Amino acid sequence: GAGVSQSPSNKVTEKGKDVELRCDPISGHTALYWYRQSLGQGLEFLIYFQGNSAPDKSGLPSDRFSAERTGGSVSTLTIQRTQQEDSAVYLCASSRYREEAFFGQGTRLTVV
Amino acid sequence: RKEVEQDPGPFNVPEGATVAFNCTYSNSASQSFFWYRQDCRKEPKLLMSVYSSGNEDGRFTAQLNRASQYISLLIRDSKLSDSATYLCVVNDYKLSFGAGTTVTVRA
Repeated sequence: GAGVSQSPSNKVTEKGKDVELRCDPISGHTALYWYRQSLGQGLEFLIYFQGNSAPDKSGLPSDRFSAERTGGSVSTLTIQRTQQEDSAVYLCASSRYREEAFFGQGTRLTVV
Repeated sequence: RKEVEQDPGPFNVPEGATVAFNCTYSNSASQSFFWYRQDCRKEPKLLMSVYSSGNEDGRFTAQLNRASQYISLLIRDSKLSDSATYLCVVNDYKLSFGAGTTVTVRA
């Protein structure tokens, strides 16, 4: 497809379980970003990948969160031992370096 | 100081009105600026890029003031469908978002 694709679109998980969220960026985009957004709140930066450079992980809220980007394309955000405060919409975006970014439709995560 | 700051509003305006708001950025070397709009429970979508000379897209006009380090967005002839949160974005090496300005256009 032409846009950023995220899966799943919705995920309900039990507290303490691990979850994996996937992002498939636009082909040719070297930059990939993960954000999360709680209801009524602004975008919270999580992690940024740019080409083959080391990722900027400065926004990850705890060591339960990790992300990888394989082959400079698809990215997976993993949350271990989920907590209720992890419930949010997780948004992925991609761009060319310093150009406009395009967002996926997000994954709505609910931890029960 | 936050990298990008916006007036949160809300701006509540009647249809047909003009509304304008600003966003300030902290890095004087920033080069890439954008306005996004976000509707409730949706992902942000690119509204327009902001060029040094200013640019217009229909009823929307964006301006960049490098000396004072702010960008602005002006919406003319507001429509009900313009009701949204408008996000100011600076793309240095990563995206820096403002917290958003809420605009509500009433009939």
